[in-house]
Amino acid sequence: SAVISQKPSRDICQRGTSLTIQCQVDSQVTMMFWYRQQPGQSLTLIATANQGSEATYESGFVIDKFPISRPNLTFSTLTVSNMSPEDSSIYLCSVESSRNIQYFGAGTRLSVL
Amino acid sequence: GDSVTQMEGPVTLSEEAFLTINCTYTATGYPSLFWYVQYPGEGLQLLLKATKADDKGSNKGFEATYRKETTSFHLEKGSVQVSDSAVYFCALTGTYKYIFGTGTRLKVLA
Repeated sequence: SAVISQKPSRDICQRGTSLTIQCQVDSQVTMMFWYRQQPGQSLTLIATANQGSEATYESGFVIDKFPISRPNLTFSTLTVSNMSPEDSSIYLCSVESSRNIQYFGAGTRLSVL
Repeated sequence: GDSVTQMEGPVTLSEEAFLTINCTYTATGYPSLFWYVQYPGEGLQLLLKATKADDKGSNKGFEATYRKETTSFHLEKGSVQVSDSAVYFCALTGTYKYIFGTGTRLKVLA
């Protein structure tokens, strides 16, 4: 299994500002994933982050709005840029084990005023 | 494309009642199937999984059987506890990523 630490756990931000969310894993992993979970909804994949290459974004998500860094095999950040109230969500990072199991961080609960 | 359909919640049960949460899927190929649980204020945790037809995943009294003929992976527990109150997500591994259902909220009353 993998232990994932995500920071901050929650934040309240003003419209137009940006927030960077950090995700730290206790072991080296090839792929890290960023999800958004809107209130009462399921998880939507934002992007997949591989170390040493550009993140791959899903339809409806763009790098200018959600830039991602992946500087090494245990760490990644997701930035939510130029925030609006519609960005209020839980943001989750996850990693995948060699047995196709995904392990999740506790999430970042973001409220945008 | 691949998809997962879960029964809508919330589901409210009394302690020691029998639980079933329905999950059906559409997929090309032979996906692995999962149930994840999300307790209040936490991320998702793997509850159980099955990787091929007729496999039964089990954990903490929960069970689910991979039924290829009915494309289903229903979650069951014989006797729920208050501590089982959470949101349950059915998921499959699609072509290159996970596909999650919409989640079913379970509330167990003492």
